[in-house]
Amino acid sequence: KQEVTQIPAALSVPEGENLVLNCSFTDSAIYNLQWFRQDPGKGLTSLLLIQSSQREQTSGRLNASLDKSSGRSTLYIAASQPGDSATYLCAVRATGTASKLTFGTGTRLQVTL
Amino acid sequence: DVKVTQSSRYLVKRTGEKVFLECVQDMDHENMFWYRQDPGLGLRLIYFSYDVKMKEKGDIPEGYSVSREKKERFSLILESASTNQTSMYLCASSPSPGQVRYQPQHFGDGTRLSIL
Repeated sequence: KQEVTQIPAALSVPEGENLVLNCSFTDSAIYNLQWFRQDPGKGLTSLLLIQSSQREQTSGRLNASLDKSSGRSTLYIAASQPGDSATYLCAVRATGTASKLTFGTGTRLQVTL
Repeated sequence: DVKVTQSSRYLVKRTGEKVFLECVQDMDHENMFWYRQDPGLGLRLIYFSYDVKMKEKGDIPEGYSVSREKKERFSLILESASTNQTSMYLCASSPSPGQVRYQPQHFGDGTRLSIL
């Protein structure tokens, strides 16, 4: 059974810092991996999707990498801003699972002024 | 932009009641999903549907059922609500690989359900 772990569970950084969020998964037979953002009391917003054949994806100040063989992904946020404060979730879609996702429990990020 | 709309943001019901949570998407997606989200447990899949009238159990289907009579609408039903079903419920949709490749799931804003 696929298990997804995110470390740390919570992180507080001053504005302007670059930071890395970590995601690990136990079964490397994945179809893709997604990073989501969730603001308090809200649904999830998709940030980046990396296919199993890709090594990384970039969107603005966000860069996500994937090392499928070691079961790891990182989300890099450059020049953090207070508006980046949210919970970040990673989710993996295993092969042959009809689009089902397995989620980590998230990293709660606070960017302070 | 894809829009996934959940009928209620907050809902309070009593134990034993039959509860309906509604979800509508406007992008003609074939796949629709219901999750619940609890502190420390993350998102867990309850049921999903890959076509009209088709459904499959997720990881925690006990105490729930679903209905998909039209492609755009996916309903979650709590047959007899219990206090342990108090949670945040999230609906999502995505195209099938045959429709559009490599598309993420799109989520609604969630329904916070309290069972008293």
